[in-house]
Amino acid sequence: DAMVIQNPRYQVTQFGKPVTLSCSQTLNHNVMYWYQQKSSQAPKLLFHYYDKDFNNEADTPDNFQSRRPNTSFCFLDIRSPGLGDAAMYLCATSELAGVTETQYFGPGTRLLVL
Amino acid sequence: AQKITQTQPGMFVQEKEAVTLDCTYDTSDQSYGLFWYKQPSSGEMIFLIYQGSYDEQNATEGRYSLNFQKARKSANLVISASQLGDSAMYFCAMRVSIYNQGGKLIFGQGTELSVKP
Repeated sequence: DAMVIQNPRYQVTQFGKPVTLSCSQTLNHNVMYWYQQKSSQAPKLLFHYYDKDFNNEADTPDNFQSRRPNTSFCFLDIRSPGLGDAAMYLCATSELAGVTETQYFGPGTRLLVL
Repeated sequence: AQKITQTQPGMFVQEKEAVTLDCTYDTSDQSYGLFWYKQPSSGEMIFLIYQGSYDEQNATEGRYSLNFQKARKSANLVISASQLGDSAMYFCAMRVSIYNQGGKLIFGQGTELSVKP
């Protein structure tokens, strides 16, 4: 089945220690998104790629970076995690299609910062 | 600015009964898309149903239907014949275009649905 895969499902890191979360897709979609969802809150977009074009949300901290080496993979790098970065990180993909564009999400990675 | 409002933080429904989850939205765009997602405790966001602003018919997908009232700017989700597995958080969302390079989803705060046996 075509799907969005996120690894790992759970990640524990230490305060200030860089961490990388990964997302892969078999849907061959041209857009990939990273959302952050803190406890009891709605998801919030951090950034996204349309093909190789990177689009950063204005309020995304510089501590967060992303890479998309090819169509299938996208990475979220947190350079120096703080306690406030503990959250669920959701990857989503879509095929660019205007208002009908539907985003499909992976299972998420829960990040814990000690 | 675009905004989604879900006014029901939590809802209870008896198994096999129907339930309506409320969603209102605000946008100045003429063309827009509205979505409902289900998020179980495992965390995955599962796409349920889509409604386009120009769609004349209310969207339906199996037990899910969307009661779309454009003049009222509401897009309520109706779940018929509730099942225990429907217990989850439900998010209403609207797509906001980003320079023709994709579209971010603006989510409401969610409604926690609990189905009682």
